[in-house]
Amino acid sequence: AQTVTQSQPEMSVQEAETVTLSCTYDTSESDYYLFWYKQPPSRQMILVIRQEAYKQQNATENRFSVNFQKAAKSFSLKISDSQLGDAAMYFCASQSGTYKYIFGTGTRLKVLA
Amino acid sequence: DTGVSQDPRHKITKRGQNVTFRCDPISEHNRLYWYRQTLGQGPEFLTYFQNEAQLEKSRLLSDRFSAERPKGSFSTLEIQRTEQGDSAMYLCASSSTGGWSPLHFGNGTRLTVT
Repeated sequence: AQTVTQSQPEMSVQEAETVTLSCTYDTSESDYYLFWYKQPPSRQMILVIRQEAYKQQNATENRFSVNFQKAAKSFSLKISDSQLGDAAMYFCASQSGTYKYIFGTGTRLKVLA
Repeated sequence: DTGVSQDPRHKITKRGQNVTFRCDPISEHNRLYWYRQTLGQGPEFLTYFQNEAQLEKSRLLSDRFSAERPKGSFSTLEIQRTEQGDSAMYLCASSSTGGWSPLHFGNGTRLTVT
C-alpha cells in the first residue's frame, strides 16, 4: 500500500525568502512518481512539480525544486524567492502501479509581506 | 482544452436524499478520478476509470456510492441515502495515458448534508 505523510500542517515564510516543505512516502513499487500540487484558497488544485523515481537528478521548475532522497523515502519541496501568490495548501502525492494517486494531508503555506 | 468541469458547484441536501454529481473531463483524457476532500485534509481516493471501465474502487467507499462513466466520456457520482458524514468537497480529475501524466482537477462539488 502507498502512504504519503506531511508532518507540517502549517508553515510561514517571509516574502522573498526560501521555505522547504517536507514529505515522506512509502510504496512497495519500484517504479513510481512523486508530485507536489498546490491548492490556492477556493481554487482548483494545480501541479507544481513532479519527479520520476528512477531519475536521480532532482526536478526543478523555476523557483520550485525538490530534494528527492530515495533511500530515505523523502521528497521535500523548496520554494525560493517566495511570493504572495505562493500562499496555498501544498499536497505531496505519489503515483505507482495502478495509476492511483495518493495524497498527503497537506501543508498550509503563509507568505508574510 | 477547456479543463475539467464539475456540476453543480454546490449542493445542499437533507439527510437520506440521493444526490448525483457530474464531471466532464478534458476531452482527450482516458483516465478519470473521483476524490473526496474534507476540510484540512488531502484528497482521498474514491475510484477511477480508464475509458468506460471502472478499474479501482476504494474500500472506504460504501455501497451507497456508485460511479459510472458511460461511453468513456463524462462521469457521474451518485450518493444514495446521504448522511451528514458525506459532507465534503468531491473532486474530479482526469489524465491521459502513457507514461506519467499529471492529474487535471476540476473545481469540485461541495456537498452539505443537513
